[in-house]
Amino acid sequence: GAVVSQHPSRVICKSGTSVKIECRSLDFQATTMFWYRQFPKQSLMLMATSNEGSKATYEQGVEKDKFLINHASLTLSTLTVTSAHPEDSSFYICSARTGMNSPLHFGNGTRLTVT
Amino acid sequence: AQSVTQLDSHVSVSEGTPVLLRCNYSSSYSPSLFWYVQHPNKGLQLLLKYTSAATLVKGINGFEAEFKKSETSFHLTKPSAHMSDAAEYFCVVIFRNTGNQFYFGTGTSLTVIP
Repeated sequence: GAVVSQHPSRVICKSGTSVKIECRSLDFQATTMFWYRQFPKQSLMLMATSNEGSKATYEQGVEKDKFLINHASLTLSTLTVTSAHPEDSSFYICSARTGMNSPLHFGNGTRLTVT
Repeated sequence: AQSVTQLDSHVSVSEGTPVLLRCNYSSSYSPSLFWYVQHPNKGLQLLLKYTSAATLVKGINGFEAEFKKSETSFHLTKPSAHMSDAAEYFCVVIFRNTGNQFYFGTGTSLTVIP
């Protein structure tokens, strides 16, 4: 149980275009999902907390107009990287919880390459 | 301030020998503690968790960890390393006063030598 599906696993896009990444909780409802960015050989950096039916909460230094988050249902959150640039190239991972004090369940990540 | 520390950025062991990955936390509040494993270009997979029950926790793939409150530690161990254990390991902590806030360790890269 508690499976999180993230799609796509890999995407290459041209500079200036936008890319949407989906995160789905397959067998549970997630009122809250989390989006992380991971640089090579580093830990995960929390970008934002996605709340179903309301605005996402962004961490300090994360541009909310660049990284648009939508959590339209209890099983789906999307991250859209708008007007992508090469410096946005990274590994993006989502996660969700089944309840308070439960562990995080992670998607398999999305490798974004902006050319 | 609350924090979690993984003391070793890199650990190298021979196949068949024991594995010890260290994790310490700092807080006056009770923690929930988790160990995750990450293989290259993959998400994080939960190995085991401690949430205030038994202090010795058994996880998947033969891993276990012991919560020691007096030492504020939650070290991950495995009696005999396998080649497939080579990966990045993260210690993650929630403190009871911070609700949704997860604290991630910086990770330990485990190399298994054949």
